[in-house]
Amino acid sequence: NAGVTQNPKFQVLKTGQSMTLQCAQDMNHNSMYWYRQDPGMGLRLIYYSASEGTTDKGEVPNGYNVSRLNKREFSLRLESAAPSQTSVYFCASSVGTSGLGDEQFFGPGTRLTVL
Amino acid sequence: AQSVTQLGSHVSVSEGALVLLRCNYSSSVPPYLFWYVQYPNQGLQLLLKYTSAATLVKGINGFEAEFKKSETSFHLTKPSAHMSDAAEYFCAVSDLIDMRFGAGTRLTVKP
Repeated sequence: NAGVTQNPKFQVLKTGQSMTLQCAQDMNHNSMYWYRQDPGMGLRLIYYSASEGTTDKGEVPNGYNVSRLNKREFSLRLESAAPSQTSVYFCASSVGTSGLGDEQFFGPGTRLTVL
Repeated sequence: AQSVTQLGSHVSVSEGALVLLRCNYSSSVPPYLFWYVQYPNQGLQLLLKYTSAATLVKGINGFEAEFKKSETSFHLTKPSAHMSDAAEYFCAVSDLIDMRFGAGTRLTVKP
């Protein structure tokens, strides 16, 4: 099993460009999450999906959209990138639909730089 | 609202010394508490998890943490540090569908 995979691993964008970060898991998990990690701030939740067909905002959703394409895949889209979105983005998944108390499994991350 | 505070953004210990990483939480309901480790250029991996079954939780790689409700703390310890323990450690709390992470503590182990 590959676990949680993310593509791309690195990306450089210019301000105003758009892109989609891809995430897939092969563990048959119900819940999936997108986080951003910034120095000194830990991980902050952008969006999550408790099951196929549902998505909800997290702590820092502004400037992002998500799609839960199927049970395996959960993509994050930046419609008009801004320098403030320079960060490392992590996708994670967990087995249950409530998420409460479940261990989250993380992908290797995507390092995004917006110039 | 749930939140986590990790005391000390950077901790340095000598190889063989005690490791103590501090975490305090706030939560309106009994929480689930986690410690994750992140090695350079990798995602987070679970070290251990508290789910109210026992206040002393043992994790991987010799780490353990003790839940103290009266102090709202969940400090991580390891009796003897190894060079391979050098990493960033995150405490997290979950009492709702999402999980809130602390800012992280970078552990350096000196030979």
